[in-house]
Parts: sequence; structure tokens; C-alpha cells
Amino acid sequence: EIVLTQSPGTLSLSPGERATLSCRASQSVSSSYLAWYQQKPGQAPRLLIYGASSRATGIPDRFSGSGSGTDFTLTISRLEPEDFAVYYCQQYGTSPVTFGQGTRLEIK
Amino acid sequence: EVQLVESGGGLVQPGGSLRLSCAASGITLSTNVMSWVRQAPGKGLQRVSAIDAGGANIYYVDSVKGRFTISRDSSKNTLYLQMNSLRAEDTAIYYCAKGGVGHVSDYWGQGTLVTVSS
Repeated sequence: EIVLTQSPGTLSLSPGERATLSCRASQSVSSSYLAWYQQKPGQAPRLLIYGASSRATGIPDRFSGSGSGTDFTLTISRLEPEDFAVYYCQQYGTSPVTFGQGTRLEIK
Repeated sequence: EVQLVESGGGLVQPGGSLRLSCAASGITLSTNVMSWVRQAPGKGLQRVSAIDAGGANIYYVDSVKGRFTISRDSSKNTLYLQMNSLRAEDTAIYYCAKGGVGHVSDYWGQGTLVTVSS
């Protein structure tokens, strides 16, 4: 199975700063089928990015995704207070579908 | 508007059984890949089971093979997860999600909590 490793485990930043989250795959992700989800306490995951770089419906343009092959990045250009949450990457191109272990984005 | 509503969670003793349901509206389950994803307390996400649109391809994570069964009722537009021989390590929030291999999970239910404890 494809193992996804996210870094850093925890990222401490202030509102207004830029956040860069990494997701590295143990083998190439098929057709860039890489997604990013945001999860807040007590809530279900929310799709942010699919196909490595396409924003889901209603997602602000401060969220952007990039990468291909085995290295992917989620960038939040200017952090808003509501962006502090846990972020997961997921590959859905190869069975089994797998998730990274998550990056916690916390307020500094 | 797509809505997925899970039910059926609760407290069960080790070795017991539960059946989770996911009632869908705004989509037709029989034409979509559907998955069950769980999240143990304070942990990450793990896809437990999935069923493709035709129902011919079904996936289970190794740890639940032989104990869990995914199914759907097209007439009720509802997805199920029958969970038998439950173990403490099955304790988690179970989410129903649209999507699987080749299809991103763009819709999720609110989750239902399963607690396995004596």
C-alpha cells in the first residue's frame, strides 16, 4: 500500500502568516489522485483540494495545492483564525486508499 | 444538497455486534463508490471498507476482514456496515463517505461513535 508521510507533525504559526504543509508518498500517486482535508474538533473531515491542485467547491483561494509523483504541498497563503485545525492528505488513485497521519496547525 | 446521515453506533461489549447505517439524500448510492472511514479517539483516519457502484468490488482493511460486512439497500438508498466480533480496538467514530479508489471523498456524514468496552 502507499504510505503517506506528512510533515511537520505540528506547525505553530500566527494569523496572517503563510503555512506550508508537506505530504510525501512511498510510491508515485496515480494520476495525481491526491486530496487534502481539513478537520476541526468534533467535525467530519472537509475536502479542500482534489487532483493535487483543484480547489473543492466553496474553498477560499488562500488554499492551494501543488505537487506530483511522490511530493505534494498544501499552502495557505494568509492564515485566518478559522484555519487552525488538523490537515490530512489522502491518495485515492490506488487501492487501498490511504491517509497521511495529519498535520496539526496551531496558533502560535 | 447531498446529505449522509449515520446511525447505529453505541456502547457494546467485546465480542458483540452492531449495524451502522448511512442514509443518503441528494445522491444515489448505487451509482457511487461509498466508503466507511473510522477515526479512533485522538488518532487519524482509516478507511475500513468500501463498495463500488456495481457492488462487485468490495474492500476491507485487513484488521476487519471476516468480521465486518458492507452492504447497501438501493430501495432505501442506505449504506450499512455490519460489525461482528467487535474488539476494543474497533472503538472509533465511523464516518460514511462518498468516494473511493479513483473518486475523491467529497461528501462525509457527521459520524457515529462506536465504543467497545466491558
